[in-house]
Amino acid sequence: DIQMTQSPSSLSASVGDRVTITCRASQSITNFLNWYQHKPGKAPKLLIYGASSLHNGVPSRFSGSGSGTDFTLTISSLQPEDFATYYCQQTYSVPLTFGGGTKVEIK
Amino acid sequence: EVQLVQSGGGLVQPGGSLRLSCAASGFTFSSYGMSWVRQAPGKGLEWVSTIMGSGSSAYYADSVKGRFTVSRDKSKNTLYLQMGSMRAEDTAIYYCAKDGPPISLRPGFSDHWGQGMLVIVSS
Repeated sequence: DIQMTQSPSSLSASVGDRVTITCRASQSITNFLNWYQHKPGKAPKLLIYGASSLHNGVPSRFSGSGSGTDFTLTISSLQPEDFATYYCQQTYSVPLTFGGGTKVEIK
Repeated sequence: EVQLVQSGGGLVQPGGSLRLSCAASGFTFSSYGMSWVRQAPGKGLEWVSTIMGSGSSAYYADSVKGRFTVSRDKSKNTLYLQMGSMRAEDTAIYYCAKDGPPISLRPGFSDHWGQGMLVIVSS
């Protein structure tokens, strides 16, 4: 199974900050990497698919990069509605696996 | 507009069975794979199962293989998860999701999600 390791597991940031979350795969997954946002009591939302493609309707302050084993999600200017938990997911091979999550909290 | 409306959650005893449903609308159901993802209390997201658009291929996490069965009814535009031999560790919120891209030969990203359904396994 491919293990997905996210860092950090949590972070505190202020509105307007640039935030970077990393995700590392235990083997190459080329660009089969997706990012989701999850808020308590809500369904997860797809942000980025294929490592760097922005899903329809997602604000342009979100961006993704990377290939192979190392990936990054960047929020260029954190907004109040962005406080949530973020997950990476690999869809390179079954079983599909998620990272452990990064909780973004208000500083 | 894509809509996924879930039903069927609740309380079940250890060893028991439960079926979750996910009614889909707003897209060509048979063209897309569909997945189930769960979140246990205080834990992260865990992929459970994916069934491809044709229904001919299905995939499972090791934790549910042999106990859960995913299926889809094209005539009702509905996805199902039949859960059996249930254990306390199956307690979670279960989400159905529409996968992309269309007409894919492999499981893909989940671009629309149902509202989630709580399943509790307890005596």
